[in-house]
Amino acid sequence: GAVVSQHPSRVICKSGTSVKIECRSLDFQATTMFWYRQFPKQSLMLMATSNEGSKATYEQGVEKDKFLINHASLTLSTLTVTSAHPEDSSFYICSASPPGTGANINYGYTFGSGTRLTVV
Amino acid sequence: LAKTTQPISMDSYEGQEVNITCSHNNIATNDYITWYQQFPSQGPRFIIQGYKTKVTNEVASLFIPADRKSSTLSLPRVSLSDTAVYYCLVGDWTGGFKTIFGAGTRLFVKA
Repeated sequence: GAVVSQHPSRVICKSGTSVKIECRSLDFQATTMFWYRQFPKQSLMLMATSNEGSKATYEQGVEKDKFLINHASLTLSTLTVTSAHPEDSSFYICSASPPGTGANINYGYTFGSGTRLTVV
Repeated sequence: LAKTTQPISMDSYEGQEVNITCSHNNIATNDYITWYQQFPSQGPRFIIQGYKTKVTNEVASLFIPADRKSSTLSLPRVSLSDTAVYYCLVGDWTGGFKTIFGAGTRLFVKA
């Protein structure tokens, strides 16, 4: 089945530094990927839609200059948290949809295993 | 995007059948209903998807009435490992829609 891999699974960084999180579709090409953030005991919050070869689309309230998204290939999207601060500590998850599936056999989006970011 | 409403939490005992209902009153014609399961510190995992009537796979059943304004995820004979958060999402997957998650249902299975 379709697999989405995220790396790293957890990262600790110092306040003020930048952290890059990778999201890879391992056995399919994804023109669109999504990035989410999830705080403890809360639901996933969509941050942005990553489009291969074009600029990402950010949800309202998400700072595009702070959360840089690059979707340079059909199998890789990266999220860079710039000048990270403790309030950016969260669980970041990506997802992608395998292409070429009809509505009657579509299984929705495949999610990565997530990245736990801790800013100290 | 169809907004979904689910119970915040549910408790059950091992071996029981659990039914979680999701309301989606403004579901559109091309929308499919998909359920995900999420364990702590993991990404959501696909459980089942359906359009109408009943769908069954090896882990769950999905019941969708004719008006499609709600759906019920049925987990047969739950075990402790089924303790997780369950999300109902509605949308046109072929159209690349944005996945907006509701609060989900936190299921706690007791021994």
